[in-house]
Amino acid sequence: GESVGLHLPTLSVQEGDNSIINCAYSNSASDYFIWYKQESGKGPQFIIDIRSNMDKRQGQRVTVLLNKTVKHLSLQIAATQPGDSAVYFCAENTGGFKTIFGAGTRLFVKA
Amino acid sequence: EAQVTQNPRYLITVTGKKLTVTCSQNMNHEYMSWYRQDPGLGLRQIYYSMNVEVTDKGDVPEGYKVSRKEKRNFPLILESPSPNQTSLYFCASSLQGAGTGELFFGEGSRLTVL
Repeated sequence: GESVGLHLPTLSVQEGDNSIINCAYSNSASDYFIWYKQESGKGPQFIIDIRSNMDKRQGQRVTVLLNKTVKHLSLQIAATQPGDSAVYFCAENTGGFKTIFGAGTRLFVKA
Repeated sequence: EAQVTQNPRYLITVTGKKLTVTCSQNMNHEYMSWYRQDPGLGLRQIYYSMNVEVTDKGDVPEGYKVSRKEKRNFPLILESPSPNQTSLYFCASSLQGAGTGELFFGEGSRLTVL
C-alpha cells in the first residue's frame, strides 16, 4: 500500500548547524508534498510544501528538496535554533482528498 | 483569530460509553478531516468531509462516525468506545480539498478508554 516513511526517527544537532530531515514515499502518483512541524502538546503546523513539477522550494530558513527519481523528500533547516526542536512530519497527497503522513522525526537541538 | 477548536482536550472514559469530540473552524473552510496519532504510526486519517453533508472514510474509520451538518462543525462520534481507540485525535481543515493547500490543525484531544 501507500506509505510515507522517514529514514531516522530522531535527529540531534548542535545549535547553529544545519539540519536535514529525510523522507521516502512509495506512491509515484503523489503530486503534492508537505512538511509539518509539531511542537509538544500542539497540533501539526504547516512549514513548507512542494508540488511534483518542482524539485526545490525555499522558505524562511527552510528548504524542501524533491527527488522524484528515487521518491525522496528532504527538509533542510538552516542555522537550527532551540525553537526548532519538534517532531517533523512529511506528508503526501495523490490529488485526492487524502493526505498520508509519515511516522515523524524528532529533532533535538543542543545548545 | 483563525483557528480550529476541539473539545474536550482531555477525556477519560470507559468501554462502551458513547462520546463525541467536537471540532469547529472559523475560516469558512470546505474541507475538514479527523486524524488519530499513535506512537510510531504518525497521523492516520479517520474520516474526511469535502463540504456540508459530504463525508467519506479515511484509512481507519472502524468504530467512528462523523457528520457535517454545518460548514464550520465536524464532530467525531465514538458510539461504543474500546481501549484500542485510546489515542490523540486531531481535527484539521483546509480551504479546498487537501490536495491543494495546507491543513490547519486543532490542538488535539487526548482520549483514554478504560
